[in-house]
Amino acid sequence: ILNVEQSPQSLHVQEGDSTNFTCSFPSSNFYALHWYRWETAKSPEALFVMTLNGDEKKKGRISATLNTKEGYSYLYIKGSQPEDSATYLCAFNNNNDMRFGAGTRLTVKP
Amino acid sequence: NAGVMQNPRHLVRRRGQEARLRCSPMKGHSHVYWYRQLPEEGLKFMVYLQKENIIDESGMPKERFSAEFPKEGPSILRIQQVVRGDSAAYFCASSLAGTYEQFFGPGTRLTVL
Repeated sequence: ILNVEQSPQSLHVQEGDSTNFTCSFPSSNFYALHWYRWETAKSPEALFVMTLNGDEKKKGRISATLNTKEGYSYLYIKGSQPEDSATYLCAFNNNNDMRFGAGTRLTVKP
Repeated sequence: NAGVMQNPRHLVRRRGQEARLRCSPMKGHSHVYWYRQLPEEGLKFMVYLQKENIIDESGMPKERFSAEFPKEGPSILRIQQVVRGDSAAYFCASSLAGTYEQFFGPGTRLTVL
């Protein structure tokens, strides 16, 4: 059974704060690690797909790192804005399926 | 290039009826995945299909649920004799062969009365 854990479960920050959250996943049978941004009443939007140990990806103010040997990934948001408020999901890809974590719900207060 | 399409967006069924959920992948995508989000829970993998093949259905309930992805037409998730516990949002995603990135549809919200 694969376990993908995300922490914290929820996070409240002020506008302008930088923040980060963690995704832990099994380190065996690794194919890819995905980060999604999921706003209420919408479908998950892909942020990053990471496949190599040591990968770092960046999109605007959001970046992510990957450590496949120890089984974790960090997502960073620099200078949070209210529009960043969403649930951030990570998903672990093995050979055939994808397992999602429960997500970190981020609320950015103006 | 249209994104992943799902229909209907909302579906109401009475207990014992059948529910059919459709997913049209993005153009050129031959892999389809179905996920379910139960109330107050995260996304859970159900099944992974390629054209005319089920690759992994380890997340599908053993009874009443089936999925297909025919050579022509959309992928169908079929739930027979629905029960209240089937009420959930059902998302499908698609990907290109040989890639990991999945693109999600808007979901179908199934309500069983």
